[in-house]
Amino acid sequence: EDQVTQSPEALRLQEGESSSLNCSYTVSGLRGLFWYRQDPGKGPEFLFTLYSAGEEKEKERLKATLTKKESFLHITAPKPEDSATYLCAVQADLPGTASKLTFGTGTRLQVTL
Amino acid sequence: DVKVTQSSRYLVKRTGEKVFLECVQDMDHENMFWYRQDPGLGLRLIYFSYDVKMKEKGDIPEGYSVSREKKERFSLILESASTNQTSMYLCATEGQGPDTQYFGPGTRLTVL
Repeated sequence: EDQVTQSPEALRLQEGESSSLNCSYTVSGLRGLFWYRQDPGKGPEFLFTLYSAGEEKEKERLKATLTKKESFLHITAPKPEDSATYLCAVQADLPGTASKLTFGTGTRLQVTL
Repeated sequence: DVKVTQSSRYLVKRTGEKVFLECVQDMDHENMFWYRQDPGLGLRLIYFSYDVKMKEKGDIPEGYSVSREKKERFSLILESASTNQTSMYLCATEGQGPDTQYFGPGTRLTVL
């Protein structure tokens, strides 16, 4: 059974204080690993897809990396507007035309002034 | 930009009522999904559809059914709502894939 564990559950940073969020996974053949951002009361917003170990993707203050067992979301010099819950999901390499994602429970990030 | 809309942001229903949640997408995507999200449990897949009139059960289909009569529209039906179906319901779409899933804004359903 595919599993995704995110840590920490919650993280409080001061503005400008860089840190990393972790996503550990077990999956029967990884097709893709996804990062989403979710604001309170809203749907998840797509950030990145990573497909193979060693891959990195960047967007503004966020950088996602992937190894064979985990992914990190690095946040450099965060601002209060980066406060949100960050979700990680894995897509198994299965036959079929629709993907089945397994989600972690998220890391709730709060960035204060 | 992918646009996924859900019929209501907030909904309050009584136990035993039949509830319809509707999702519409404008990207001509083949695949559509319904999830529920609960604190501490994350997103869990209820049903998905990979074509018009085609559906497959996800991980927690009990108490739910779905309908996809048109490609752009995917409905989630609670035949007889119960209090344990109080949750945030999220619709997602995906192009012919597997590919990236894009989510709607969610419907917060409360069953009293």
